[in-house]
Amino acid sequence: DAKTTQPTSMDCAEGRAANLPCNHSTISGNEYVYWYRQIHSQGPQYIIHGLKNNETNEMASLIITEDRKSSTLILPHATLRDTAVYYCIVRVVTRGNSQGGKLIFGQGTELSVKP
Amino acid sequence: NAGVTQTPKFRVLKTGQSMTLLCAQDMNHEYMYWYRQDPGMGLRLIHYSVGEGTTAKGEVPDGYNVSRLKKQNFLLGLESAAPSQTSVYFCASSLRVVGDDTQYFGPGTRLTVL
Repeated sequence: DAKTTQPTSMDCAEGRAANLPCNHSTISGNEYVYWYRQIHSQGPQYIIHGLKNNETNEMASLIITEDRKSSTLILPHATLRDTAVYYCIVRVVTRGNSQGGKLIFGQGTELSVKP
Repeated sequence: NAGVTQTPKFRVLKTGQSMTLLCAQDMNHEYMYWYRQDPGMGLRLIHYSVGEGTTAKGEVPDGYNVSRLKKQNFLLGLESAAPSQTSVYFCASSLRVVGDDTQYFGPGTRLTVL
């Protein structure tokens, strides 16, 4: 799976949009971009994933650049409960047990939402 | 729909004691995983299972054993606990179809080995 680079930390004002960038310049054509977050002491939580098109769900939007070398996770109206570490993960998704399905969590971005 | 549950939430062991961590999922997922997370580090895969009756080693399997006798349950065993196994343990499950390998995590088990 390709390596990702994220800022160590970010701040966001409550109610404003939080834009979390991720660089994955070595991504290959069959690798998906996944975002998870981990609120302190809790299990990681899936947020969203995509291949090349922009995606939106009830939690967030994922914007992937045309060359797929970077992406941005957007939380449209951040709340205090969105304070967490956000992980950008790039992985191949195929049927079968190649690599054991291991998720490689890097350091992530520590997002602090402030009142 | 409880998702992924883990039992127990907390446990303190003495060196050399044994215990079993239970993970259960009610989403009919084929794939299940056990990770450990140490302070300041990401999750590391211990063992995983691609279906009932099958298990495989992850990146840090030493000192642990697993069993998947039923599709919905994945057990992680420590035969002789060591202080180095003090960690937070997370279980996860996924369907793992082409295009979607979303893993759903349990709340974790915090284990301390004295």
